[in-house]
Amino acid sequence: DQQVKQNSPSLSVQEGRISILNCDYTNSMFDYFLWYKKYPAEGPTFLISISSIKDKNEDGRFTVFLNKSAKHLSLHIVPSQPGDSAVYFCAASGGNFNKFYFGSGTKLNVKP
Amino acid sequence: GAGVSQSPSNKVTEKGKDVELRCDPISGHTALYWYRQSLGQGLEFLIYFQGNSAPDKSGLPSDRFSAERTGGSVSTLTIQRTQQEDSAVYLCASSFVQGVETQYFGPGTRLLVL
Repeated sequence: DQQVKQNSPSLSVQEGRISILNCDYTNSMFDYFLWYKKYPAEGPTFLISISSIKDKNEDGRFTVFLNKSAKHLSLHIVPSQPGDSAVYFCAASGGNFNKFYFGSGTKLNVKP
Repeated sequence: GAGVSQSPSNKVTEKGKDVELRCDPISGHTALYWYRQSLGQGLEFLIYFQGNSAPDKSGLPSDRFSAERTGGSVSTLTIQRTQQEDSAVYLCASSFVQGVETQYFGPGTRLLVL
């Protein structure tokens, strides 16, 4: 029973354009959301987060949007760069920070 | 710099054998997490250690799985009588304080059970 879902296993985008990665969750108790980036043969690295009191958080080229009513969040990367090519995981927590639920990941390919 | 390290990086074993996976967290990090990523799946929480508190074992999938953390540092995840469905990448993460943003992941151990 996956509580966090990333329905697009892969995404291909041209360099300089916007990448939009989507994530849906089912548990209304989730109040903290994160995105991780993972390169092959490396562990995931934290990218950006958002709490449920906000609907947008921006950090440089990365912006995360949260739509609580739709239980949906998205990560926007603008402009996309070839170095952004990686697998992106979204994760959610219900305030108990020792347990996180991860999506299955979306593999982003940014073409030069 | 010294990040989270895991060993072995790859492990191939036969069904029914026991395996031990090791995690060396970042020095001084009090929290340590184990996750599993099966093919096509997200990261599945397994177990969490925080300081000297009793670990949160709620994510361990069966009693064949156990984990220890000795001296508040190195952790070992043991899988007894391995099954083919145990094949996955096992990831360890550590953090200085309890919190998600400060989690640092190791490169993982890729386990294949034949």
